[in-house]
This record gives sequence, C-alpha cells and structure tokens, in this order.
Amino acid sequence: SQKIEQNSEALNIQEGKTATLTCNYTNYSPAYLQWYRQDPGRGPVFLLLIRENEKEKRKERLKVTFDTTLKQSLFHITASQPADSATYLCALARDDKIIFGKGTRLHILP
Amino acid sequence: DAGVIQSPRHEVTEMGQEVTLRCKPISGHNSLFWYRQTMMRGLELLIYFNNNVPIDDSGMPEDRFSAKMPNASFSTLKIQPSEPRDSAVYFCASSWTSGNQETQYFGPGTRLLVL
Repeated sequence: SQKIEQNSEALNIQEGKTATLTCNYTNYSPAYLQWYRQDPGRGPVFLLLIRENEKEKRKERLKVTFDTTLKQSLFHITASQPADSATYLCALARDDKIIFGKGTRLHILP
Repeated sequence: DAGVIQSPRHEVTEMGQEVTLRCKPISGHNSLFWYRQTMMRGLELLIYFNNNVPIDDSGMPEDRFSAKMPNASFSTLKIQPSEPRDSAVYFCASSWTSGNQETQYFGPGTRLLVL
C-alpha cells in the first residue's frame, strides 16, 4: 500500500541554522508534491508545490527538492527563526488522489 | 475573503448522537474536501466534491458517515450514530480546480469529542 514517512520525532534546530525536513514515500508515483505548515489548533497552510519533472523549487527562505528516483523530498528552511516553529506536512498527489504524511514538528530554539 | 469557514469549532457529544459539521468554502472555488486528523492516523481524506458532485468517497470510514453539498457555498458532514472512535479534528478544504491538482485552502477545523 502507499506509504509516506516523515520524521516522527520533533526536530530541534538552533535559530539561524538551516532546518531540513524529510518526506519519503513508497508504492507511489506522485505527479506532484506539496508542503504545508500547520500551527496548533489551526488548519494546514500551503507553502510550496513541486512537480515530478522539477528537481528544486524555492520561495524566499524555503527550498524544496524532489528526487523521484530516491522517492524523497527534502524541505529546507534557511536562516530559521522561532516563528518557523510548527508542524510541516508533505502531501503527494496524482490524478484525483492525494495523501498526507503525519508531519514533522519543528522547534526553532532561540 | 474570509477563507474557509467551519462550524462548530468544537463539539462534545455522547455516543449514539447525531453530529453535523458544516463548511462554507471560499467563494469561486469548485472543489471541496473533508478530512479527518488524528495523532495515530494523521490527515485522512474522507470525501471530495467537484462542482457539488461527490467524486471520491472511498475514504469515508463506514455508512455512519455521510456528506452532502447542496450548493457551491455549503457542505455538511454527518455522523449518525457517533462513536468514541470518531473523536478527531475534522477539516474542510477548498480549491479552484478539479480534483487534487492544486493548492487546497483549509478551514480552522472542528474538534469533535464523542464521549
């Protein structure tokens, strides 16, 4: 069955450093992949989308890579700030199907 | 735009009772999605509509769950009868293309507790 794995444990990063989150998947060939941010008590908020024919996408301090051979996406936050602390979800989609990972909790330490 | 609106924000009910969750999508969006989120299972897609028509309800856990979208600006998710294992946060999301192809905008969620 299709499976998405994200770091199940919280990730603690010192302020100013680069935070890197991982999304691995199996038994799936997504047409595109999305990253969402979720704060406690709120719904997920879209951050970035990367398609299967793209290797990298950037938006301000955010960078996403997509390796369809390794079946992996990496999500980077450069110059991290305490305000970046949240849970980050990856989502994979093809045709009319979308599946979400369980998310990784990121803590940026001041 | 006010974004996706969900009501109620919190619901506490007893096992066996009927629960109705409501959603108003962003104006102009033509796709609407219902999700359930728990610690154990993460975010799961229950059903989605395109142009008010249910396209995929394979995620609906069982017959106790039903969803309707009578018009472009309103949808309901009903659980009857409710059970403790239905306790979760239920999110509604909308987008402006068909299916899952583009960005989804999530509502604030309804936190459901079934005692």
